[in-house]
Amino acid sequence: SAVISQKPSRDICQRGTSLTIQCQVDSQVTMMFWYRQQPGQSLTLIATANQGSEATYESGFVIDKFPISRPNLTFSTLTVSNLSPEDSSIYLCSVDVFGYGYTFGSGTRLTVV
Amino acid sequence: AQSVAQPEDQVNVAEGNPLTVKCTYSVSGNPYLFWYVQYPNRGLQFLLKYITGDNLVKGSYGFEAEFNKSQTSFHLKKPSALVSDSALYFCAVISTGDSNYQLIWGAGTKLIIKP
Repeated sequence: SAVISQKPSRDICQRGTSLTIQCQVDSQVTMMFWYRQQPGQSLTLIATANQGSEATYESGFVIDKFPISRPNLTFSTLTVSNLSPEDSSIYLCSVDVFGYGYTFGSGTRLTVV
Repeated sequence: AQSVAQPEDQVNVAEGNPLTVKCTYSVSGNPYLFWYVQYPNRGLQFLLKYITGDNLVKGSYGFEAEFNKSQTSFHLKKPSALVSDSALYFCAVISTGDSNYQLIWGAGTKLIIKP
């Protein structure tokens, strides 16, 4: 299965600033997924990122708030913009390499103060 | 609408006893079913999956799950629980009837194994 390196593992950010999260995969993948997870809660899909095209956002998530880059088949970034305390959460990237299973990054725990 | 239900927020089991974490699903096509585990302050780890074939699926750390089509269930089981199994467990499903092949997640079940 794929190995994902996700950075940073945690950060504390000021209101109004932005945080960019990076995910690097050790193999080429078509789709990368970005999730948000409140501690102890289930996962909510933010968007799906395909290389060479704009990300597809789920209902309730917009590109201006969560811009995503996918410059190649092994890398993606998610930026959480104009931070507010409500953005405090865990953010996870995920890939599906072989079609039937998903691998996750270790997560980024964001605290907005 | 496609959905996954994990009816128990928390399951408490004594160490050495068998454990079951329940999952039921509702999808329009055939299901691909998954179990993931999340240890405190860690990412999600894949445990096992059912795609086709034998209804009993064996996965990591001694866990297994049984696909029951008539009951639309995919309960996670382990014959003898360890304290180290304490974690948050998620069931997820993909429907072959969904062209996006999007993972649908259960709410999660907190498993507590007491020594």
